[in-house]
Amino acid sequence: GAGVSQTPSNKVTEKGKYVELRCDPISGHTALYWYRQSLGQGPEFLIYFQGTGAADDSGLPNDRFFAVRPEGSVSTLKIQRTERGDSAVYLCASSQGRGDIQYFGAGTRLSVL
Amino acid sequence: AQSVTQLDSQVPVFEEAPVELRCNYSSSVSVYLFWYVQYPNQGLQLLLKYLSGSTLVKGINGFEAEFNKSQTSFHLRKPSVHISDTAEYFCAVSDLGGGADGLTFGKGTHLIIQP
Repeated sequence: GAGVSQTPSNKVTEKGKYVELRCDPISGHTALYWYRQSLGQGPEFLIYFQGTGAADDSGLPNDRFFAVRPEGSVSTLKIQRTERGDSAVYLCASSQGRGDIQYFGAGTRLSVL
Repeated sequence: AQSVTQLDSQVPVFEEAPVELRCNYSSSVSVYLFWYVQYPNQGLQLLLKYLSGSTLVKGINGFEAEFNKSQTSFHLRKPSVHISDTAEYFCAVSDLGGGADGLTFGKGTHLIIQP
C-alpha cells in the first residue's frame, strides 16, 4: 500500500483480556517501530525491528507486551492480561532503514474497560 | 539519555499572524531533529527534518525551523498561519550515535488558529 496501515483503528476490550494490534508497513521498508501515545503526551518508543528481529525492545513497559514480525513485513503487537493503564493510541512507523525518516500509521486506539 | 521539551502546551494565534513553536532538547551526542504534525484522528506527518548541513531547514506547508546547537533548540516557525494549520505539533530527536533506535518526542504543542 501507499502508507503504513494499522488495524483495527479502534479496539475496546475488558481488563484481563488479550489483544493483538496489527501493522502493515510501507512495502520495502526494513525498519519497523511501535510507539504508544497516552492522552496529552507525545509518542513513547516501545520496540524497533530490523527485518524479522527485534533489535531494540527497551521501551516495552513489562513482560505483558510482546511484538513479532515473522516475515520481515507485517508486525503484531500483543498485550496479555490488559490493564486499564494500557489504554492509549498505539502507533506504528516504518522506514527504509535504521535512522531514516519514519512514516507513521494512523494508529490503533485501545480502550481497556 | 535524551529528552525533548516543548514548553508551550497550547499556542493561540490569529489567522495570518506569524507563529513560533519552541523546542529544546538534551543529548550527549549529535542528533537528528524532526517536527511532526498530527491532525485530528490522523497519524503523524513529517513537517521537516534536520540531519546535517544548513541549520535553517524548510519543510512543507510553509514551515521552517532553525537548529541552534549552542542553545540546543530547534524552534518551528511560520510567517503567516492559516486555519488549516490547527493541529498538534511534535518535536522529536533521534540519537543514533548513542545507540537509541526510536525517536524521543516532546509532549506536543497544540496550535490553535483564531479567525
